[in-house]
Amino acid sequence: EVQVVESGGGLVNPGGSLRLSCAASGFSFSSYSINWVRQAPGKGLEWVSAISSTSRHISYAGSVRGRFTISRDNAKNALYLQMNGLRAEDTAVYYCARAPGYCGGPNCYYSFDYWGQGTLVTVSS
Amino acid sequence: DIVMTQTPLSLSVTPGQPASISCKSNQSLLHIDGKTYLHWYLQKPGQSPQLLIYDLSSRFSGVPDRFSGSGSGTDFTLKISRVEADDVGVYYCMQGRQFPITFGGGTKVEIK
Repeated sequence: EVQVVESGGGLVNPGGSLRLSCAASGFSFSSYSINWVRQAPGKGLEWVSAISSTSRHISYAGSVRGRFTISRDNAKNALYLQMNGLRAEDTAVYYCARAPGYCGGPNCYYSFDYWGQGTLVTVSS
Repeated sequence: DIVMTQTPLSLSVTPGQPASISCKSNQSLLHIDGKTYLHWYLQKPGQSPQLLIYDLSSRFSGVPDRFSGSGSGTDFTLKISRVEADDVGVYYCMQGRQFPITFGGGTKVEIK
């Protein structure tokens, strides 16, 4: 059974840092791109970041570029999101999602077929 | 960035009746590989989003054939042939054609 499980959320002060993790199982993790998507309370879905299977292709939303860093460890079947300089507007449930497809040139082309249950990040003093 | 616009904002449907959700993009989602990278998700209350339709019209594993996706270029539609109580939630379209990936604002479906 394909599973992705997020962890690492919590309450953090504005300007603080947090590292989210996503543990994958039930599939060949090293063969898939993985993405982070977030959802602010009561709001819609916002794509955050993507990393290809070999980490060759990495992309960020403009709202987090320069503050967030995505990485993965294929030996551990794990995905990470290092979040620095957190702001109130980063408060959201963060989902990791498996992304079947491929990357070519500056873009990757895929959907998100399996999502985790999400981890809540709250940025507040 | 590609802007995704969904209508209506909300929909109230009688069980057994059809429902339709529109999604428009401000750029074509057709790629030279022949695929249209437009996808549909349903987020049921209190749950994570789940994939319904990928690449314009392909149903994801386990999705009932009551759900269908259609359209071309910049104009897309999700249809539910006969709405059931379990179909309630918020439906989102998403473009996977180019970064940044973008979602429509969502359509909330409720049962009358």
